[in-house]
Amino acid sequence: GAVVSQHPSWVICKSGTSVKIECRSLDFQATTMFWYRQFPKQSLMLMATSNEGSKATYEQGVEKDKFLINHASLTLSTLTVTSAHPEDSSFYICSAPRATLNTEAFFGQGTRLTVV
Amino acid sequence: AQKITQTQPGMFVQEKEAVTLDCTYDTSDQSYGLFWYKQPSSGEMIFLIYQGSYDEQNATEGRYSLNFQKARKSANLVISASQLGDSAMYFCAMREGRKSSASKIIFGSGTRLSIRP
Repeated sequence: GAVVSQHPSWVICKSGTSVKIECRSLDFQATTMFWYRQFPKQSLMLMATSNEGSKATYEQGVEKDKFLINHASLTLSTLTVTSAHPEDSSFYICSAPRATLNTEAFFGQGTRLTVV
Repeated sequence: AQKITQTQPGMFVQEKEAVTLDCTYDTSDQSYGLFWYKQPSSGEMIFLIYQGSYDEQNATEGRYSLNFQKARKSANLVISASQLGDSAMYFCAMREGRKSSASKIIFGSGTRLSIRP
């Protein structure tokens, strides 16, 4: 079964509103989680590293005020897309590494965001 | 900086044939891990196989095997006896730091594999 759960799996929102996406590790603690963005027919691009109890580390070119990341507990990281615009429409997917198993990286099911 | 290159945007293969998906990588780290993931149209990322940089044997998982050529920085995925359900996007990925599961993973551009009946 899934070890990383992402919610919602899809969301449609109006321009200017904010959307929150959750990523949970189900049976292990994850002090680090990763958020990726994938445009249609493209690869996964790392947006940021979510660190439990501290600020997220953003990749170059990713607006931290636009994509708010909170990692308040050892099993939950959230990505909030603020003031969403149609160009933010994309597939967002999280990953949570398991400290005791470095031979696999676990991914959530992904969230398809459509901004209208 | 680390980099993953997949030079085959798309491939068509006849059912039951074997197929090799190419992947080359670039890193200055001596310790790293290589992954292959399958992504069907649903979007989920399905883990296929892992190869550590210090692993002496090529990794195998059922019909999947990884042809690891360290000197050439190559980590090709071989799928034997392809099936219609193998049609999907395939991504090669790398994590620097073999020990650290908290190191970020970067992905290649992907190869779309289509299996013909």
